[in-house]
Amino acid sequence: AQRVTQPEKLLSVFKGAPVELKCNYSYSGSPELFWYVQYSRQRLQLLLRHISRESIKGFTADLNKGETSFHLKKPFAQEEDSAMYYCALSGQGGAQKLVFGQGTRLTINP
Amino acid sequence: DTGVSQNPRHKITKRGQNVTFRCDPISEHNRLYWYRQTLGQGPEFLTYFQNEAQLEKSRLLSDRFSAERPKGSFSTLEIQRTEQGDSAMYLCASRGRRINYGYTFGSGTRLTVV
Repeated sequence: AQRVTQPEKLLSVFKGAPVELKCNYSYSGSPELFWYVQYSRQRLQLLLRHISRESIKGFTADLNKGETSFHLKKPFAQEEDSAMYYCALSGQGGAQKLVFGQGTRLTINP
Repeated sequence: DTGVSQNPRHKITKRGQNVTFRCDPISEHNRLYWYRQTLGQGPEFLTYFQNEAQLEKSRLLSDRFSAERPKGSFSTLEIQRTEQGDSAMYLCASRGRRINYGYTFGSGTRLTVV
């Protein structure tokens, strides 16, 4: 079964502090992993894909197959990072539908 | 192309009424997905189209729900005899043929059943 777990529903950090949003997954094959972000009153936007291995808005995420994790990190949080963050996976073959975690609401305090 | 478009943005309906939502995907994207999102949850998969063919449906999609994608372009999601439990945000996403295409989401249709 495909499953994505984001253990923290809420995360609050101070501006300038490091941020880590946790994501663990369950999938029998080699999934494609994503982080999506939803700012207030806006649509879901793609933040990162593991196959791209790029850094967006200072965020990075490394796929750890041994720990089945895809944690999102940023060394210095900014107030504009406050948003809802969703980790998602897509399986191989078939519909390749996205399976989402419950999301983590990140609040950056000034 | 302005991305994935969904209409209406909001819909309030009385219990028992039928509602229909529309999704216009990115024109060159052959894959189209519908998701439902309730408060405090991540989006949950409902159904998938590849071109005009509906290839996968979730168990969440009861027989009151039907989706179409005529000619492989826009898609509609209809809910018959709405129930209060149908109140949610209904999201549409599309994806192209190339592996490096991500999934692009629309703004969603928020349904409130009163």
